[in-house]
Amino acid sequence: DAGVIQSPRHEVTEMGQEVTLRCKPISGHNSLFWYRQTMMRGLELLIYFNNNVPIDDSGMPEDRFSAKMPNASFSTLKIQPSEPRDSAVYFCASSRVNGGKLFFGSGTQLSVL
Amino acid sequence: QKEVEQNSGPLSVPEGAIASLNCTYSDRGSQSFFWYRQYSGKSPELIMSIYSNGDKEDGRFTAQLNKASQYVSLLIRDSQPSDSATYLCAVSPGANNLFFGTGTRLTVIP
Repeated sequence: DAGVIQSPRHEVTEMGQEVTLRCKPISGHNSLFWYRQTMMRGLELLIYFNNNVPIDDSGMPEDRFSAKMPNASFSTLKIQPSEPRDSAVYFCASSRVNGGKLFFGSGTQLSVL
Repeated sequence: QKEVEQNSGPLSVPEGAIASLNCTYSDRGSQSFFWYRQYSGKSPELIMSIYSNGDKEDGRFTAQLNKASQYVSLLIRDSQPSDSATYLCAVSPGANNLFFGTGTRLTVIP
């Protein structure tokens, strides 16, 4: 059974460019989470969805960040325009609703120059 | 975000010793508690979950929860070099979301 699949694994872009990160959750999981990890702040919850509906986006740092989940098997996190302070590892994770156990993807290492 | 506090370490223990990792949380209404392990350059993976006060043992790992003190700990017995990783404490206040501490880096010295 395939795990959570994220793409790309690495993204290097210039300040001001649009960045789109992609995630395919585990089949049958109906909760999806986006996290950002930095050395200083650790793992920060950005947004999570239950059954494709955004439940809590209070962790999204600002309007430059947006996330969508058009169907049960796909989600995107978009940053427009990107800034150097957005450089981090972005993880997508999925779980069954109220299941507690999160399965993480391999992450996207984002570098904004 | 809900606060979850961990000592960032690094924590160094000799092989075969007990490693003790600690975590405190701010939301008294938190319901579920987890320990994740993250190897360098990898994604977090769940190793323990605990929901009620007391101890829960799984092999060499023991999770301890004290809701009155808002304290969670993880003990690793007979530590092995392969246990060297960052250990993340995670707390769920309910509603299926999960908040993480910044992690404690553990090094087991052969």
